[in-house]
Amino acid sequence: GENVEQHPSTLSVQEGDSAVIKCTYSDSASNYFPWYKQELGKRPQLIIDIRSNVGEKKDQRIAVTLNKTAKHFSLHITETQPEDSAVYFCAAINSGGYQKVTFGTGTKLQVIP
Amino acid sequence: GAGVSQSPSNKVTEKGKDVELRCDPISGHTALYWYRQSLGQGLEFLIYFQGNSAPDKSGLPSDRFSAERTGGSVSTLTIQRTQQEDSAVYLCASSLGVRDDNEQFFGPGTRLTVL
Repeated sequence: GENVEQHPSTLSVQEGDSAVIKCTYSDSASNYFPWYKQELGKRPQLIIDIRSNVGEKKDQRIAVTLNKTAKHFSLHITETQPEDSAVYFCAAINSGGYQKVTFGTGTKLQVIP
Repeated sequence: GAGVSQSPSNKVTEKGKDVELRCDPISGHTALYWYRQSLGQGLEFLIYFQGNSAPDKSGLPSDRFSAERTGGSVSTLTIQRTQQEDSAVYLCASSLGVRDDNEQFFGPGTRLTVL
């Protein structure tokens, strides 16, 4: 089955700096890579996703990059703000195989004002 | 529209008792997941239902845990003879489960406390 590793487990950055979270996956058939944000006491919510036919996707201050050859993908948050503080989970899935989503272990991001 | 709902929102039980947690997925979603999240920890996969296929039970931690999904909609997670280590937030998520749309929508969770 799929195995997703996520690093770092915790990350502290100064407000305004950038944050990068990295994930690797094992199943070369995986083709859909979402990122979820979970604020304290709340449920995880999708913030951005990327499919294997693109290498990069941006949405305002967040971007995700994908390297299929190396089987890794990353979340980039620029100009971080205190409200970016949360736990971020990456995930991988073979969307055509109806297999379950596999989540990474999460990164706790703290943005220091 | 209505999102994923779960009930109860909080459940306090005594060690050794059985509990049932309910999940109402978004209408039309064929995929349904149960996760367990201990305080400050990640999402521990428990079980996955996809349409009429046999569920993927590979994440259930012991035979005290079981889940069913009736009529392809509502799901119930049952924990028998609860132990203190079962205390956690149990999250349910559903998705369309189709080829090009796998976004998971999470419910608010059930916080289980075993005394």
